Amino acid sequence: EAQVTQNPRYLITVTGKKLTVTCSQNMNHEYMSWYRQDPGLGLRQIYYSMNVEVTDKGDVPEGYKVSRKEKRNFPLILESPSPNQTSLYFCASSPMGRERAQPQHFGDGTRLSIL
Amino acid sequence: GDSVTQMEGPVTLSEEAFLTINCTYTATGYPSLFWYVQYPGEGLQLLLKATKADDKGSNKGFEATYRKETTSFHLEKGSVQVSDSAVYFCALSLTSGTYKYIFGTGTRLKVLA
Repeated sequence: EAQVTQNPRYLITVTGKKLTVTCSQNMNHEYMSWYRQDPGLGLRQIYYSMNVEVTDKGDVPEGYKVSRKEKRNFPLILESPSPNQTSLYFCASSPMGRERAQPQHFGDGTRLSIL
Repeated sequence: GDSVTQMEGPVTLSEEAFLTINCTYTATGYPSLFWYVQYPGEGLQLLLKATKADDKGSNKGFEATYRKETTSFHLEKGSVQVSDSAVYFCALSLTSGTYKYIFGTGTRLKVLA
C-alpha cells in the first residue's frame, strides 16, 4: 500500500530536549515536505526537499532542521524545542512533475506538545 | 508575496444544499492549484487540481475552475452530504524558481442531516 508514515503520532516533551520526527514514503517520490498546522493559520511549509541531499526552506524554517540522506526518508529535527513549536505536523511527498507540481500524499500527522 | 486566501468558516449547510467555498490567490508566474480535504484525525487528501488557466478540476461531485483573470479557484458542489463534513484547504504550488507549496487557512464545513 502506498503511504507516508510518520513517527511518533503523539509526543509530549519538555523545552530544550532534542527530538526527531521520522517520515518515510514507499512511493519512490522525489519531493518531500514538512508542514505544521495551527488553528487559524492553516498549513505552513517548514522545509522541503526535491531529491536526495537537496533541501530548501519553506515559510517557517526557524527552529527546525531536516536531512535527506535517502530518497525514502525525510526526518524533522528539533534541536532545542520550545513551547511555540507545539503543533500538529504533517509530512508529505510527491513525484516531481516535469513542468507542473504534482499532488502531495500526506502522512497521518504527529501531534507535538512542548512543555 | 505569494499567498492563498480562503473564506473563513465554519460553513454550516443542510444536506443537499449547494456549496461554494471561495479561494483567491496571489502568485508570480503560473501556479498549479489544488483543493485538499481533511477528515477528522486524518492527514490531507487531494480532492481536485488544475494546472493551467480555464482548467476545471472535478472529483466526487466537487468542481473548481482555474480563473486566471480573477485569480480564483472556488470550490463548488451541487448537493452536499453529511459525509462531506470536513476541513477544505485551497493550495497553490509554484514551479518556477522554487517548489514551495502555499496553503490557505482552511474552511470547516459541517453538513446537517
